[in-house]
Amino acid sequence: SQQGEEDPQALSIQEGENATMNCSYKTSINNLQWYRQNSGRGLVHLILIRSNEREKHSGRLRVTLDTSKKSSSLLITASRAADTASYFCATDNAGNMLTFGGGTRLMVKP
Amino acid sequence: DSGVTQTPKHLITATGQRVTLRCSPRSGDLSVYWYQQSLDQGLQFLIQYYNGEERAKGNILERFSAQQFPDLHSELNLSSLELGDSALYFCASSALGQGQAPLHFGNGTRLTVT
Repeated sequence: SQQGEEDPQALSIQEGENATMNCSYKTSINNLQWYRQNSGRGLVHLILIRSNEREKHSGRLRVTLDTSKKSSSLLITASRAADTASYFCATDNAGNMLTFGGGTRLMVKP
Repeated sequence: DSGVTQTPKHLITATGQRVTLRCSPRSGDLSVYWYQQSLDQGLQFLIQYYNGEERAKGNILERFSAQQFPDLHSELNLSSLELGDSALYFCASSALGQGQAPLHFGNGTRLTVT
């Protein structure tokens, strides 16, 4: 079963635009992580945000967490063609098991 | 480069057969995780080992088994293979328990069962 659900499932934007992906989850979490996956490759960790944090930045990435709404968002600013990938949220819930959502497929057109 | 090595990269085999997937974790990481990624099921957690001991079990079939050796490398054994077992199998490692620290993924083994 999937704890996190990403929205939208697919997103297509032009280079230079911002991309926003959302993740909703069902149960209380200790932390939430975002990963990127290029086609056919392994997942790469982007950001980990703890349940007592509300916002975190890393370069062009901004992650927010709203535990009252059980949701998180990943914002990629000034997107590049190289950002084309699938993005997954993963939640650490009971038992410290990391559960991945279905992912958002992002396409950035040059 | 994540530092996690998976072999082989590709595997094609027939139904009913048995295969072994191998994983070397990132240097210093004691935890190894196995995930299955298929188009219809997404990324599914199979099993976790920590320093040689099984720590957590996910949606792993009874036909599948795994172990972690003293040198910390891990093997995932898949037996009595079915067409539906065709998927990407990922190994990941971390320094801490699952969820407490980032996971470092290998590039996967693509299994095709014909």
